[in-house]
Amino acid sequence: QQQVKQSPQSLIVQKGGISIINCAYENTAFDYFPWYQQFPGKGPALLIAIRPDVSEKKEGRFTISFNKSAKQFSLHIMDSQPGDSATYFCAARMETSGSRLTFGEGTQLTVNP
Amino acid sequence: DGGITQSPKYLFRKEGQNVTLSCEQNLNHDAMYWYRQDPGQGLRLIYYSQIVNDFQKGDIAEGYSVSREKKESFPLTVTSAQKNPTAFYLCASSTGTYLKTQYFGPGTRLLVL
Repeated sequence: QQQVKQSPQSLIVQKGGISIINCAYENTAFDYFPWYQQFPGKGPALLIAIRPDVSEKKEGRFTISFNKSAKQFSLHIMDSQPGDSATYFCAARMETSGSRLTFGEGTQLTVNP
Repeated sequence: DGGITQSPKYLFRKEGQNVTLSCEQNLNHDAMYWYRQDPGQGLRLIYYSQIVNDFQKGDIAEGYSVSREKKESFPLTVTSAQKNPTAFYLCASSTGTYLKTQYFGPGTRLLVL
């Protein structure tokens, strides 16, 4: 029940295309869902986050879509660029767990020029 | 500049040796975390600390130890009991504000000689 399942494991898109990464969870006590971006050899950096009381959040080319009834959320990267090539992690947090996060397995995104 | 520093960037361990990874933050964050990342895998929580002089085991604490004597420091010791220590180790800290977002350091890569 603590797991967050992420798919696909890897994704290749062409420059200008849309990248979509999906995550699913079981525990309805999760109340905060961040996405992290990690470049090789670096630590993850917070990209965008959403709470379950909204269905969508957009920041520039990055959008989170949230489906509370389906217990799913996804990251959409519009107009994907080669510089977006990185590993993306979704995560979830329960208020009762303080700031402890449960991470998905990660998606390695490659954007071809 | 505020942030999280980890040292060293690369660390080599000999058989039967204990090694200590450093993590320092000047963000005035209460909570700190240690994660292990293996190639193509997600982030697995080793230990975390919500407050000075207190810490809890994460999902893979066996073979590791930590201390939290100061708010800004959370060193991780990889003991000889950890039979497969080769991995990328990430330290994170989080603010005490409502969303408690985690911020990551640059990581330490541990290799076994």
